[in-house]
Amino acid sequence: GQNIDQPTEMTATEGAIVQINCTYQTSGFNGLFWYQQHAGEAPTFLSYNVLDGLEEKGRFSSFLSRSKGYSYLLLKELQMKDSASYLCASMDSNYQLIWGAGTKLIIKP
Amino acid sequence: GAVVSQHPSWVICKSGTSVKIECRSLDFQATTMFWYRQFPKQSLMLMATSNEGSKATYEQGVEKDKFLINHASLTLSTLTVTSAHPEDSSFYICSAKEVAEYQPQHFGDGTRLSIL
Repeated sequence: GQNIDQPTEMTATEGAIVQINCTYQTSGFNGLFWYQQHAGEAPTFLSYNVLDGLEEKGRFSSFLSRSKGYSYLLLKELQMKDSASYLCASMDSNYQLIWGAGTKLIIKP
Repeated sequence: GAVVSQHPSWVICKSGTSVKIECRSLDFQATTMFWYRQFPKQSLMLMATSNEGSKATYEQGVEKDKFLINHASLTLSTLTVTSAHPEDSSFYICSAKEVAEYQPQHFGDGTRLSIL
């Protein structure tokens, strides 16, 4: 079956670093996406990984290990506005996204 | 780039009314658009995949006669909630994907539907 696992909720301190993990099992694999969703709003695209390794984009980085079926999103220098849900999604062999349930990130001052 | 416009943002109407939601890709062509529903504090739930020029593919448990989808052009898909009832109240979000295979879905701002 197809399955995406990520923690339900995480808490971190403003200015700190947090890593949100995601493991996936899908029928075929065409890449791993991360989206950010603020409460009451639609998701916005953050990153896409299809090759192993780390992709850095400002304060956000995303890592992929295809052999382990594992990805993480790394957020540095946390700001209060980073409080949101972070959605992990795997693209399967039909180029459809299989979504995780999301990780709610709470940032404390 | 990759902007998706969804309209209306908010709808409040009486039970039994049909409601139409539009999803447009403004600066790219989208052969595939997706319709999601999200209840408060719950994850995204894919309702259907809309393909330009063909019938939509509905997820299990989603009534196709209740949620009518039309994708008549490469930039426009519509979702019509027919004879809406209070249990249909939810946050409906569309997304559109560019033609090339390894492209992300870009989301509209969503439509809050409240049925009284």
